[in-house]
Formats: sequence, C-alpha cells, structure tokens
Amino acid sequence: QSALTQPPSVSGSPGQSVTISCTGTSSDVGSYNRVSWYQQPPGTAPKLMIYEVSNRPSGVPDRFSGSKSGNTASLTISGLQAEDEADYYCSSYTSSSTFLFGGGTKLTVL
Amino acid sequence: QVQLVESGGGVVQPGGSLRLSCAASGFTFSSYGMHWVRQAPGKGLEWVAFIRYDGSNKYYADSVKGRFTISRDNSKNTLYLQMNSLRAEDTAVYYCAKYNWNYFAFDIWGQGTMVTVSS
Repeated sequence: QSALTQPPSVSGSPGQSVTISCTGTSSDVGSYNRVSWYQQPPGTAPKLMIYEVSNRPSGVPDRFSGSKSGNTASLTISGLQAEDEADYYCSSYTSSSTFLFGGGTKLTVL
Repeated sequence: QVQLVESGGGVVQPGGSLRLSCAASGFTFSSYGMHWVRQAPGKGLEWVAFIRYDGSNKYYADSVKGRFTISRDNSKNTLYLQMNSLRAEDTAVYYCAKYNWNYFAFDIWGQGTMVTVSS
C-alpha cells in the first residue's frame, strides 16, 4: 500500500494557474474514477474539493478543476488567490477495497 | 449542522491501548460508511480503516491490521477505533470522516484527536 505520488510543492503568483499531479497504478487511479482531492490549510481538517476525478461539491469555486489520464490524476487551480495557499491531497479507491492518499503538495501563492 | 466530533486521544506508552470515539450529528449516521484517517506530525494523510454503514464489512491499512479494530454503534451515532499494541509510529492526529457513496469521497471530517505514543 504505497502512497500515491504527488510533487512536494508547487507555487504560483496571484491570477496564475497551477497543476498538481497525483500518480498511482493500474490498481487504483488507473482503474477507478474514485479519485478525490482535499485542501488542508495549516492546523485545520481536510476539506473535499473535487470528487470522482472532476466534480466539484457545492460551494467549491469553479477555479478548481480535476482530470485524469491513465494512472495520473491532476488538480488545476486557475486564477490563484492568496486563500488557496494550503496543502493538497489526492485520494483513490483501490482494487483491494482500501484507500490511498497522496503524500501531499504544499501550494505557495507568491 | 452536520458534525463529527472525535474524542479519546491522549498519551499512551508503547504497547498500550486506547479507544477513540467519533460522535456524529446532523445526518443519518446509520446510512453511511465511515473512515478513520490519521496524520503524523508534519506528515501527510494516511487512510487507516473503513466500516460499512451497517458494520457488515471492515477494511484496514496493512500498517494497523491485526492491531486496530473499527466498530460502530448506530443506536448511539458513534464510530470507534480500538487501538492495541501501540507503537511510536502510530503517533498522529486521528480524524473520522464520513464517506459519501454518491461522491465516492470523504465529504465530512471531524476536527481530529491527537494520539501520542511515548514512554
């Protein structure tokens, strides 16, 4: 049960776009559209931002979008705002009926 | 409003036991699967365990299998995590999370409870 692979950090200036990748295997990300993304500002609980690869729950700005190709899912944040600065985690269901998280990506808004 | 509140964390010696609780409110607890997810200090999220809405099936991460037991009492709207044979590497904030089957995602999280395993 190895964690999904995410870049440790990404950064961008206000108004720019950034993309965070999440690489798994054919036993998890590659086999299911049960990929979700979570935002976690320091000292707080995670918050669901994207579900089923590309869907946004009510209340999440449309600046957040998700996609998947093969074993890699991606989260794109467009029109970066200072409030987007946080840690981001991907998650996937697996063929073993378990769940995996990515190692997390720290987003810095310059 | 929809809420999950964890309790039961604390300091325990290696080899010891602890039971965490997660009180649910604001939704029909008995209709949803529930998870425990942990986060070691300064580290990322790690999925720990899942229990189906009726308790019929339980799944565990390899790192806790055989030591931790997830359970629930739907009459009390409460989720539990019994942790035995605790190790230093189990030190973490433990979150309970509601699983939304329509979303296939963890849509509600508690605030977490800290477990420290140390002599």
